[in-house]
Amino acid sequence: RKEVEQDPGPFNVPEGATVAFNCTYSNSASQSFFWYRQDCRKEPKLLMSVYSSGNEDGRFTAQLNRASQYISLLIRDSKLSDSATYLCVVNSPSGSARQLTFGSGTQLTVLP
Amino acid sequence: DAGITQSPRHKVTETGTPVTLRCHQTENHRYMYWYRQDPGHGLRLIHYSYGVKDTDKGEVSDGYSVSRSKTEDFLLTLESATSSQTSVYFCAITEGLAEETQYFGPGTRLLVL
Repeated sequence: RKEVEQDPGPFNVPEGATVAFNCTYSNSASQSFFWYRQDCRKEPKLLMSVYSSGNEDGRFTAQLNRASQYISLLIRDSKLSDSATYLCVVNSPSGSARQLTFGSGTQLTVLP
Repeated sequence: DAGITQSPRHKVTETGTPVTLRCHQTENHRYMYWYRQDPGHGLRLIHYSYGVKDTDKGEVSDGYSVSRSKTEDFLLTLESATSSQTSVYFCAITEGLAEETQYFGPGTRLLVL
């Protein structure tokens, strides 16, 4: 079983739609969670950290369910510029400090 | 912008030749990482460094070595490149209070023929 699993998609949605991505992680000792965004042929960039109580940044909402070891990302009012691959990222407490494990990513295309 | 550069940005080489990729940072970050990214596998950690001359192996370290003789430079060497090492290589550093947020360089695309 992969340490971090995501639905690879692709998700093709019209502009203005709401879309949700899910991610599960296997290490119950993980404490830090992130969503990264990666545009085609570019480096991953931090989108947002995920906090236990859930957090929102504009049109983006992240949720964490520790009991189910599940992380989600909700994008409201999708824009064409949201088209990218979204990576779920979890810290790896069993390794040396400050290591992260990356999911394979979920591809999103927002259509005009 | 975390002040990370990678060189070269693109490289084509032949099987069996040595290749060295350079990651350079300008903000005195302690932790540096090398990843490779391949379709279907996501980002996988090759090696990382937690200070000058302090390095350790990651998940996919076979066939790779690293060196960090200065804080600002982290070198990744393929001693004898193989076609399976064709990939995109990303360098990263950490920032933040807990130093767990990673920021990436622009990547190096390597093709081994």
